[in-house]
Amino acid sequence: EVHLVESGGGLVQPGGSLRLSCAASGFTFYSYAMHWVRQAPGKGLEYVSAISSNGGSTYYANSVKGRFTISRDNSKNMLYLQMGSLRAEDMAVYYCARVAHGSKYDYWGQGTLVTVSS
Amino acid sequence: QSALTQPRSVSGSPGQSVTISCTGTSSDVGGYNYVSWYQQHPGKAPKLMIYDVSERPSGVPDRFSGSKSGNTASLTISGLQAEDEADYYCCSYAGSHWVFGGGTKLTVL
Repeated sequence: EVHLVESGGGLVQPGGSLRLSCAASGFTFYSYAMHWVRQAPGKGLEYVSAISSNGGSTYYANSVKGRFTISRDNSKNMLYLQMGSLRAEDMAVYYCARVAHGSKYDYWGQGTLVTVSS
Repeated sequence: QSALTQPRSVSGSPGQSVTISCTGTSSDVGGYNYVSWYQQHPGKAPKLMIYDVSERPSGVPDRFSGSKSGNTASLTISGLQAEDEADYYCCSYAGSHWVFGGGTKLTVL
């Protein structure tokens, strides 16, 4: 059974940094692209970042480009999101999601909450 | 990277059908057959309901169907049931990035 478990969320001050992790199990992790999607409190879903199956290609939403870095360790079945220069508008639940056939988020984690506040 | 446009809310009575629209541009919805739809209940992670415009994952009832015409995709739910009450989001590939709709709250009366 596919499982995605995010961790690393918490309270951080504006301008601070945080690293999110996503532990994957139940599938051949190195065969799938992975994304981060976030949801601000009471708001809709927002694509954040994507990484190809081998980690060779990465993509970012304009809202986080230059501040966030996505990476993965296929030997450990782990996905990461390094977040820097955090702003109030980055406060959200961050989900990691598996992407199948390049077009569908077929499995999601339970999310980890990032709170940006002084 | 503008969000796709969805109605904020729709409603229907049990047994009825409702359709949720998702309007984008030729750079996203209209340019690719990579539109997907997600159902989200409060406090839960999203669940894939439709992918590649009209494909249904195993386990999703055939009451859920998808279609696309030009720059607008649609999700139709027939034979509404109480458990269908949730938020629904469309999503489209847009050439090296992905874009979601703002979400539609479905109320089952």
